[in-house]
Amino acid sequence: GQNIDQPTEMTATEGAIVQINCTYQTSGFNGLFWYQQHAGEAPTFLSYNVLDGLEEKGRFSSFLSRSKGYSYLLLKELQMKDSASYLCAVSDSNYQLIWGAGTKLIIKP
Amino acid sequence: DTEVTQTPKHLVMGMTNKKSLKCEQHMGHRAMYWYKQKAKKPPELMFVYSYEKLSINESVPSRFSPECPNSSLLNLHLHALQPEDSALYLCASSQDEGGSYNEQFFGPGTRLTVL
Repeated sequence: GQNIDQPTEMTATEGAIVQINCTYQTSGFNGLFWYQQHAGEAPTFLSYNVLDGLEEKGRFSSFLSRSKGYSYLLLKELQMKDSASYLCAVSDSNYQLIWGAGTKLIIKP
Repeated sequence: DTEVTQTPKHLVMGMTNKKSLKCEQHMGHRAMYWYKQKAKKPPELMFVYSYEKLSINESVPSRFSPECPNSSLLNLHLHALQPEDSALYLCASSQDEGGSYNEQFFGPGTRLTVL
């Protein structure tokens, strides 16, 4: 079957760094997406990885290892507005998105 | 214009009502999606339209009926819903259905409550 695992909830402090991990087992792989979703709102695109390595975009970076079926999202200089759920999604062999359950990130002052 | 719009934002309906959700995008995207999302769960794919044709129906009950009048519009017709259908309904679009990079842009969603 297809499976994506990420932690249910994480807590971090304002100004700090946090890493959200995602492991996946899917039928085929055509890239991995990270989305941010604030409560009651739509998901918004953060990053896309299809090759191994690190993609940096401002305070957010995303890493992929295809051989390990593993990705992480790194958030630096955390701000209160970063409190949200972070969804990992893999595009499978049919280019359909397989979604993880999401990681709720709580930022404390 | 990089926006997907959805109307209405909120909808309350009885189990005997008929209502429709609407979605619109003007990015020239050829794939459009309906998702259902329950609280604290990831989006659950319902339907995919590709070039105005239904390409995926994820075994959705017939009380949900999608329609794609043209390449910019996507509707979801609702009839005889159940209370368990209460959820956030998200519309998304992408350049194509397939392809190695296919970011999906999401609308703000319609919060549906079935009484």
